[in-house]
Amino acid sequence: GENVEQHPSTLSVQEGDSAVIKCTYSDSASNYFPWYKQELGKGPQLIIDIRSNVGEKKDQRIAVTLNKTAKHFSLHITETQPEDSAVYFCAASKGGGGNKLTFGTGTQLKVEL
Amino acid sequence: DAGITQSPRHKVTETGTPVTLRCHQTENHRYMYWYRQDPGHGLRLIHYSYGVKDTDKGEVSDGYSVSRSKTEDFLLTLESATSSQTSVYFCAISERGRNNSPLHFGNGTRLTVT
Repeated sequence: GENVEQHPSTLSVQEGDSAVIKCTYSDSASNYFPWYKQELGKGPQLIIDIRSNVGEKKDQRIAVTLNKTAKHFSLHITETQPEDSAVYFCAASKGGGGNKLTFGTGTQLKVEL
Repeated sequence: DAGITQSPRHKVTETGTPVTLRCHQTENHRYMYWYRQDPGHGLRLIHYSYGVKDTDKGEVSDGYSVSRSKTEDFLLTLESATSSQTSVYFCAISERGRNNSPLHFGNGTRLTVT
């Protein structure tokens, strides 16, 4: 089955700096790659996703890039703010047949003042 | 927030007792999922449903069963709880079960098996 690896497990940045979280996947048939943000005591919230026919997608301060050849994708957060502090998860799926997601192990992002 | 309610939010139970967790949605979405979240493992799929009475196993289904008798409700049952099932359980919903239909998660149930 699919295996998703995520790095780093913890990331500390200064407010205003950029943060980058990287994931690799094993199944070349995967074609959907969402990113979730989880705040303490809450469920994961979808923040951005990308499909395999696209190399990059942006939404304000967040962007995701996908390299299908290397089987890796990354989340970029620019101009970080304290409210960006949370756990971020990447995931991958083949889409059809239930869109079952395989998750990475998470990155604890801390934005320091 | 997507209209997903999980109950109970917290539960403590003893080894060997049966436990049922409930997920209720108000979105009329076809697909529903149960994931468990453990440190170092991210979220792992237990079971999912693609319609009323239609369910299938995920990667960590041993020791769990599910039922879906109505579109809006998806139940997860631990027939005989074990300490290894101590976890946070998340329900998710998806409208179409394809990659143009993202998953949205509830706020979880924290289960402790003593």
